[in-house]
Parts: sequence; structure tokens; C-alpha cells
Amino acid sequence: DAMVIQNPRYQVTQFGKPVTLSCSQTLNHNVMYWYQQKSSQAPKLLFHYYDKDFNNEADTPDNFQSRRPNTSFCFLDIRSPGLGDAAMYLCATSREPQEEQYFGPGTRLTVT
Amino acid sequence: GQNIDQPTEMTATEGAIVQINCTYQTSGFNGLFWYQQHAGEAPTFLSYNVLDGLEEKGRFSSFLSRSKGYSYLLLKELQMKDSASYLCAVVDSNYQLIWGAGTKLIIKP
Repeated sequence: DAMVIQNPRYQVTQFGKPVTLSCSQTLNHNVMYWYQQKSSQAPKLLFHYYDKDFNNEADTPDNFQSRRPNTSFCFLDIRSPGLGDAAMYLCATSREPQEEQYFGPGTRLTVT
Repeated sequence: GQNIDQPTEMTATEGAIVQINCTYQTSGFNGLFWYQQHAGEAPTFLSYNVLDGLEEKGRFSSFLSRSKGYSYLLLKELQMKDSASYLCAVVDSNYQLIWGAGTKLIIKP
């Protein structure tokens, strides 16, 4: 059974049109992460939550927002997608920050 | 700054052994992970080292030397399905995970 679920798997949006990506987990982990990954690059951490405590990476653009309404769900909102935001967006969870991260399958975002 | 270095790409032959190296300079150290990532898929956990030495898990082993800021992942009896990127990641003193760019491993018959 899938433990970290992301929807949709593929998302096409137009330049400047807001888009929301979703992630859910059945692991009851404390920490949830959003990463952006472009081809042949390391995953880039955008945000993470420890329970309800939100942590924004210093270089995450204001165009990216996140919500975690409860333990199980986390959302990534891209307010005005640009062509440079086309990437794979990965959601991950861990029980504690220093422990193994479990990844969802990712959402491939295309911006036209 | 914080930095993790891995070779960009390696090639090996099916059935052989390959060693993927990782060196790191981070603010503190609270463990090192190796993840496997097939093209277009999410990373999956392979190993975790926090103490010096070798951790063996089937065909895969991971080694850590904290004094040298060095780790390697050893893959034995290579199979075609091992063709993937291998990502080294270090937990720093703030419990943030610092990722390397990954090593693309190509397996040839």
C-alpha cells in the first residue's frame, strides 16, 4: 500500500495560472517536506513542517506557498508559475528530521 | 558553505562491482544517507551510516569515515536494474538534510 501519495502525477498549467499540488501520508510521521527537483540535480528543499511548525527555506521564492491542515495532508501552492518552475515536485515524510525520508512518487509539472 | 561531492556519472558491467564515492563538508554531522533514484521516479532509501565503518545489506554496502568526511556505496553483482542515480545526503547540525547532486550509474551488458 502506498504510504506517501501525491496527486496528480502529472500536471500541466499555463504560465501565470495558479496550481496546487497535494500530498498525503499514512505513516503518521511528524515531518513533511516539499522538494523541487530538476533534471540531473539534487532535490532542492522548499519547505518542511514539523507537525504544524512551518519552516521556509531562505531561498524559496515567495511564489511558492504551503499548507498543512492536518497530520496527513500537505499542499504546495504555486501562485504564478513561470517556465522556470517546470520540475518534478517531491513530497517526503519522516518520523523525525534526522531519520529516513519516505518519498511520494512525485508530480511532474509542465508550464506552457 | 556546505558541500557534497559525488562523481557525475559512472559506467560498470553487469555482474561486476562498483564503488560510488561521496565526500562532504557540512556544519556538523548527524548521519549520512544513500538513496537510489531511477529516472523519472522518487528516491528510495538504501542505507544510513552514523558511526564509522561498513554497513552491509545484501548486494549493497555503505562505508563511512567521519574524520575524512567520506563515504562510499559499494554495489556487488551488478544487475541491469541497478542503472539509476545514487544520491548521497548528510544530516547537518541543524538536522537539515544536505543532498548531493547524485551519481548516474550506467550498467552495460
